[in-house]
Amino acid sequence: AQRVTQPEKLLSVFKGAPVELKCNYSYSGSPELFWYVQYSRQRLQLLLRHISRESIKGFTADLNKGETSFHLKKPFAQEEDSAMYYCALSPTDSWGKLQFGAGTQVVVTP
Amino acid sequence: GAVVSQHPSWVICKSGTSVKIECRSLDFQATTMFWYRQFPKQSLMLMATSNEGSKATYEQGVEKDKFLINHASLTLSTLTVTSAHPEDSSFYICSALTDFGYTFGSGTRLTVV
Repeated sequence: AQRVTQPEKLLSVFKGAPVELKCNYSYSGSPELFWYVQYSRQRLQLLLRHISRESIKGFTADLNKGETSFHLKKPFAQEEDSAMYYCALSPTDSWGKLQFGAGTQVVVTP
Repeated sequence: GAVVSQHPSWVICKSGTSVKIECRSLDFQATTMFWYRQFPKQSLMLMATSNEGSKATYEQGVEKDKFLINHASLTLSTLTVTSAHPEDSSFYICSALTDFGYTFGSGTRLTVV
């Protein structure tokens, strides 16, 4: 069975400081990995997917198959980055199902 | 584009009654929708996969008779919590897979008193 682990429940950083949210996964096949963000009082929305290899709002995430990780990084955190972040995995043999991590609350203070 | 509208956003009901939650795809057709449940300070847990025109597929441990799912059209899936009890109080979220990825509804906060 697949599993997504986000070890940090809360990450508090100062504005302008780098931020890294950890995500590790376990899955026997080749998964598709995502980062979702939920701002206060808003719906869950896609931030990044590993296959697109893009940078959204300054965030990047690299899939490391050797370490089974998909950590999310941003070099300079902004106050508007304060939100709940979820790492999610979609197994290739169960089309459409998303397995979510527990989530990391990011608080960026001025 | 690819917006999923979920209603109601919150509902309070008496124990023993049933509550229906609707999930509509506004500008696309969704043959498959997903229903999640989220407890406070916890992650989203997939409850079931809703397939248009056929029976839903439930995850292990989810009671089919308690959480009735109907996906009668390509734009509407409903989740009915039957004979609700306080332990059913939770945040329910629907999702659909589009060409742009997964899109989520805004969620329904159910409180059973």
